Amino acid sequence: AQTVTQSQPEMSVQEAETVTLSCTYDTSESDYYLFWYKQPPSRQMILVIRQEAYKQQNATENRFSVNFQKAAKSFSLKISDSQLGDAAMYFCAYRSAIEFPNQFYFGTGTSLTVIP
Amino acid sequence: DGGITQSPKYLFRKEGQNVTLSCEQNLNHDAMYWYRQDPGQGLRLIYYSQIVNDFQKGDIAEGYSVSREKKESFPLTVTSAQKNPTAFYLCASTERSSYNEQFFGPGTRLTVL
Repeated sequence: AQTVTQSQPEMSVQEAETVTLSCTYDTSESDYYLFWYKQPPSRQMILVIRQEAYKQQNATENRFSVNFQKAAKSFSLKISDSQLGDAAMYFCAYRSAIEFPNQFYFGTGTSLTVIP
Repeated sequence: DGGITQSPKYLFRKEGQNVTLSCEQNLNHDAMYWYRQDPGQGLRLIYYSQIVNDFQKGDIAEGYSVSREKKESFPLTVTSAQKNPTAFYLCASTERSSYNEQFFGPGTRLTVL
C-alpha cells in the first residue's frame, strides 16, 4: 500500500508571509494524483490543490502552489501572502490512477497557525 | 446544491449500544468512503464502496459495519464490539475517474459515555 508522510505536525507563519508544508509519499506506480486538503476549525475538508503526476508543471491556485518533485516523491505546498483564514489542518493525499478500487491515502496532517 | 450530508452532527452513545451514522450524497458519485479521524492520526479508512451492494474493508474495519443499498446512501454502524468508538467520523464520495478528488461531508462527532 502507498504511504504518505507529513513530517511537520505543526507550523506557524506570520500574516502576509510565505510558508511551505512538506509531504512525501512512497509508491511504485508511475501514474497517480496528489491532493492537498484544508480542514479549518469547522472540520469541513476542502480541496486546496491537485497535481497530476504525468504533468511536470507545478499546479497553482491563487496564493497556493505546489513543488512537485516526482523522482524525489515530494509534494510540498506553498502558501504565499498568508492570511488568518489559512489557519487550519492541512492534509496531503495520494490517489492511484490505475488501482481499482481507488483508495485515497492521507498523511497525518500539519496544523498551521497564522500569527497576526 | 449538490453535496454530502451527515447526520447527526453530534452523537452520544452509552457503552454496549450500537449506533448508526448517516451519510447521503446527491452528487451521483459511484464511490463512497468512511473515515475515522483521531488527533495526530490523520484520516483512517474504515470501509469503502465502489458500487451498490458492494463494499470493502479499510484499515480499521473491526467493530464497524456498513451497507450500500442505494447509490446515494452509505450508513455506518458502530457496534458494541468497537473498543474505542469516540472519534470524529467523516464520510466522503468521489467519481470513479482518478482525476477527481474526494468530496467530504461535515462529519459526525461520536462520544461514548
